[in-house]
Amino acid sequence: GAGVSQSPSNKVTEKGKDVELRCDPISGHTALYWYRQSLGQGLEFLIYFQGNSAPDKSGLPSDRFSAERTGGSVSTLTIQRTQQEDSAVYLCASSPQWAGSNQPQHFGDGTRLSIL
Amino acid sequence: EDQVTQSPEALRLQEGESSSLNCSYTVSGLRGLFWYRQDPGKGPEFLFTLYSAGEEKEKERLKATLTKKESFLHITAPKPEDSATYLCAVQAAQAGTALIFGKGTTLSVSS
Repeated sequence: GAGVSQSPSNKVTEKGKDVELRCDPISGHTALYWYRQSLGQGLEFLIYFQGNSAPDKSGLPSDRFSAERTGGSVSTLTIQRTQQEDSAVYLCASSPQWAGSNQPQHFGDGTRLSIL
Repeated sequence: EDQVTQSPEALRLQEGESSSLNCSYTVSGLRGLFWYRQDPGKGPEFLFTLYSAGEEKEKERLKATLTKKESFLHITAPKPEDSATYLCAVQAAQAGTALIFGKGTTLSVSS
């Protein structure tokens, strides 16, 4: 596609349920990032993929959060046993980036997650 | 600790009233500084990358500049369609490839 695509655009779920968020990056972009944007806060880095491997998982807030990427393309972010503090907009970005470069990251419109 | 601070948090301008947004940063080796625009309900839209002090980039009514400690986004004769949140982010040499974002400046331009 022309841009980064994320689905669903909105997700409402009950506390304790698991959720999966999907990101389809720009074709040919090898680097993929997940960020979280909470109300009144800046974007917070979660995890970075280069190809299918994740050299930087330092931003994942707890072991309830995990992510994978397959075929060097689509990525899913999974949150297990959701808590109310997980409510936020989850943004995915991609770039034609290799280690050490500084190409701009291009963002999708995010998934707005609400935990009841 | 790598850090990005944007000011002001909010800015209201009349159409045609030029102003500047500030982004102050503290990083251990700047790899790049990025400006993004974010409209409500949308993801950040890339505007500029600045790599070294003294560099300037322009796009329509926007001009971004960079010093060793801060960046400015100058808005000349803004229009209502320039209303958005403007985000500044840095890529630090020791932070891998992740961007460190400020909290943004929300700009409102009225006609």
